[in-house]
Amino acid sequence: SQQGEEDPQALSIQEGENATMNCSYKTSINNLQWYRQNSGRGLVHLILIRSNEREKHSGRLRVTLDTSKKSSSLLITASRAADTASYFCAPRGAGSYQLTFGKGTKLSVIP
Amino acid sequence: ETGVTQTPRHLVMGMTNKKSLKCEQHLGHNAMYWYKQSAKKPLELMFVYSLEERVENNSVPSRFSPECPNSSHLFLHLHTLQPEDSALYLCASSQGQGGNSPLHFGNGTRLTVT
Repeated sequence: SQQGEEDPQALSIQEGENATMNCSYKTSINNLQWYRQNSGRGLVHLILIRSNEREKHSGRLRVTLDTSKKSSSLLITASRAADTASYFCAPRGAGSYQLTFGKGTKLSVIP
Repeated sequence: ETGVTQTPRHLVMGMTNKKSLKCEQHLGHNAMYWYKQSAKKPLELMFVYSLEERVENNSVPSRFSPECPNSSHLFLHLHTLQPEDSALYLCASSQGQGGNSPLHFGNGTRLTVT
């Protein structure tokens, strides 16, 4: 299994601004998933992007994937205070049971 | 409301106690997982069950003992734990494994070992 590394570790922005988080990984993947975790709660799946996709949208979320650079980014547009949470990427290798997570990016959106 | 329910939400236990964490999923999934989340550390995958058979055991100490009696229920039996085992224990489920199946998490059990 492999673990994604999120960057930055922490990010603080004003409400209405865009937030960009990055993820790097080491080996080839089947797909890459992004999750959000509010404090003291479980993780919530946000979006899954397959290795043959380059970009995916879901509401205010935009995810890109560059398999040549082994990296992905998550963009949250027009951020809201409710977006305050930790965000994790999880690269998934083919045929793997394991989905491992990094330390995440802690996003704070200031009203 | 999450389709994965974990009980209890909080648990305080002494090092000599025996307790169990319970997880139930209402999503019809066939794979279930235990993760451990400690402060300032990445989530650690502990166990994976697929079709009620354990398929992964990531070098977890024997004081943690999982049980999966059916595809909807998962337990984590705890005995003679150490203070460093204090953490948030998260259960998750998915439909299938190794493919394009996202994980659905419960809200966890916050365990404190005194």
